[in-house]
Amino acid sequence: GENVEQHPSTLSVQEGDSAVIKCTYSDSASNYFPWYKQELGKRPQLIIDIRSNVGEKKDQRIAVTLNKTAKHFSLHITETQPEDSAVYFCAASKGGYQKVTFGTGTKLQVIP
Amino acid sequence: EAGVTQFPSHSVIEKGQTVTLRCDPISGHDNLYWYRRVMGKEIKFLLHFVKESKQDESGMPNNRFLAERTGGTYSTLKVQPAELEDSGVYFCASSLQGAPLHFGNGTRLTVT
Repeated sequence: GENVEQHPSTLSVQEGDSAVIKCTYSDSASNYFPWYKQELGKRPQLIIDIRSNVGEKKDQRIAVTLNKTAKHFSLHITETQPEDSAVYFCAASKGGYQKVTFGTGTKLQVIP
Repeated sequence: EAGVTQFPSHSVIEKGQTVTLRCDPISGHDNLYWYRRVMGKEIKFLLHFVKESKQDESGMPNNRFLAERTGGTYSTLKVQPAELEDSGVYFCASSLQGAPLHFGNGTRLTVT
């Protein structure tokens, strides 16, 4: 089955700096890669996703890149703010009715 | 639209007791997933329903866990008898085909 690895497990950045979280996946058939943000005590919420037919997607301060050949994808947050502090999860799926497999999570702390 | 709802939000039980968790997905979502997050670890896949059928139950830890989805609507996850290692936050999520997951707030289960 699919295996998703995520690094780093914790990340501290100064407010205004950039943060990068990296994930790798094992199943070359995976074609959908969402990212979820979970704030303390709340539900995971989708922040951005990318499908395998594109290499990069951006939404304001958040961007995701995908390298299908290397089977890795990354989340980039620019101009970080304290409210970006949360646990971020990457995930991979083969789409359709296939299950979504999550990474181990990255706890991001943005220091004011 | 109403989101995914789960209850109870918290449950504290003793080892050997039975607990039943309930999930009401977003109306019209054929996919329903159960995940579990143990402290500091990944969101681990347990089970995936498509309508009332179990599409994938490869993540169910053992036969102490039983999931049902009557009529393809709400789902229940029963743990009987509960063990200490079953403690964690159980998330339910639902989605349309090939679409992002919508998570519930989770049920925090503590087995003492």
